[in-house]
Amino acid sequence: DSGVTQTPKHLITATGQRVTLRCSPRSGDLSVYWYQQSLDQGLQFLIHYYNGEERAKGNILERFSAQQFPDLHSELNLSSLELGDSALYFCASSVEATGSEKLFFGSGTQLSVL
Amino acid sequence: SQQGEEDPQALSIQEGENATMNCSYKTSINNLQWYRQNSGRGLVHLILIRSNEREKHSGRLRVTLDTSKKSSSLLITASRAADTASYFCATDRLQGAQKLVFGQGTRLTINP
Repeated sequence: DSGVTQTPKHLITATGQRVTLRCSPRSGDLSVYWYQQSLDQGLQFLIHYYNGEERAKGNILERFSAQQFPDLHSELNLSSLELGDSALYFCASSVEATGSEKLFFGSGTQLSVL
Repeated sequence: SQQGEEDPQALSIQEGENATMNCSYKTSINNLQWYRQNSGRGLVHLILIRSNEREKHSGRLRVTLDTSKKSSSLLITASRAADTASYFCATDRLQGAQKLVFGQGTRLTINP
């Protein structure tokens, strides 16, 4: 158990809908990273938050947004969903903000857009 | 584009044999890391090697880093069926981009 909690584990929804994925980092970790994993794109970095502030942005679509709350949990919001958004979404946490340290991954949210 | 690229994409060996996976990257780095992912599950950190290190060991794992060639290798010795998983290298950037970028991974299958 990595100590990182992601909910829900599975999500099935329809095109055009909006969903929210939630991540609770390990106790004491201030950084949260979001990744999208699909068969054709591999593991893509989406966004990094440190102590509530956005620190780095990757290939995140404008339809997607994220935030980190004062209690350090993070949410990834996906809107106007398309079939191609079906993927496994991971969050990971770490103590620091450098992007160079070891990450602890959650077990992921499997999103299926039908 | 991906910072790290693994080679081969898939590897199938017999239990007890050694498995070697390679990773190449494009820009200068501070650290390179290797992670393991069992099917459909979260990634688990295996080992981190700093840019001023050339080799590192952890149990049956041996990682090398050649910064002049921008490449790394992961060797798993005396493989076991439980080593069956996907293995990813991940790199940061020397300029501190505050993100970790993963390669496409090597799918390792250990046959009993």
